[in-house]
Amino acid sequence: DAKTTQPPSMDCAEGRAANLPCNHSTISGNEYVYWYRQIHSQGPQYIIHGLKNNETNEMASLIITEDRKSSTLILPHATLRDTAVYYCIVRVFSGGSNYKLTFGKGTLLTVNP
Amino acid sequence: DAMVIQNPRYQVTQFGKPVTLSCSQTLNHNVMYWYQQKSSQAPKLLFHYYDKDFNNEADTPDNFQSRRPNTSFCFLDIRSPGLGDAAMYLCATSVKTGVGANVLTFGAGSRLTVL
Repeated sequence: DAKTTQPPSMDCAEGRAANLPCNHSTISGNEYVYWYRQIHSQGPQYIIHGLKNNETNEMASLIITEDRKSSTLILPHATLRDTAVYYCIVRVFSGGSNYKLTFGKGTLLTVNP
Repeated sequence: DAMVIQNPRYQVTQFGKPVTLSCSQTLNHNVMYWYQQKSSQAPKLLFHYYDKDFNNEADTPDNFQSRRPNTSFCFLDIRSPGLGDAAMYLCATSVKTGVGANVLTFGAGSRLTVL
């Protein structure tokens, strides 16, 4: 019951910006968008999250459209170590005060030398 | 550093032989999750604890059980592992929140092989 759509794979040249799109057209007004990545055989790693405004941290930038139906994760200068599966996630309400993160299939980003 | 630690990292068991995977955290987070990730698939939530409240996913088989004796520890018990249970098992934690952001911190995972 993932609520996001991402391309299955993307390529990027080392040193260039990687722009990973995500569609979340059914997102509700108070739900955040989260991005995680998973390098092969490791646990997922949190990257960034946002609600309405664009966000930036030491790892990436998150651009959210004004209607909040889509977002783009930007890795400004991709390195070979950024090769990973990137997951865009919207929380799912699971009853009471409980929320859960349901992973979709994600985008495999391959950074090429 | 505060972190989520899973043990063992690699577990080999025989078909039908019970196995227990452990997760400990030094983050003092209220919520602990167990995800199952099969080869080339996305992580799938099995269940989670909100403090002591256990929340099972509707499609999690009865073969999978969990215990959380205190805030720091959570266990995943697989009572009778089948070949289809071979997977990476991921533990994650988060701060308890209502509406708003909750960021998950994952452990490195426990890879289960069933012979």
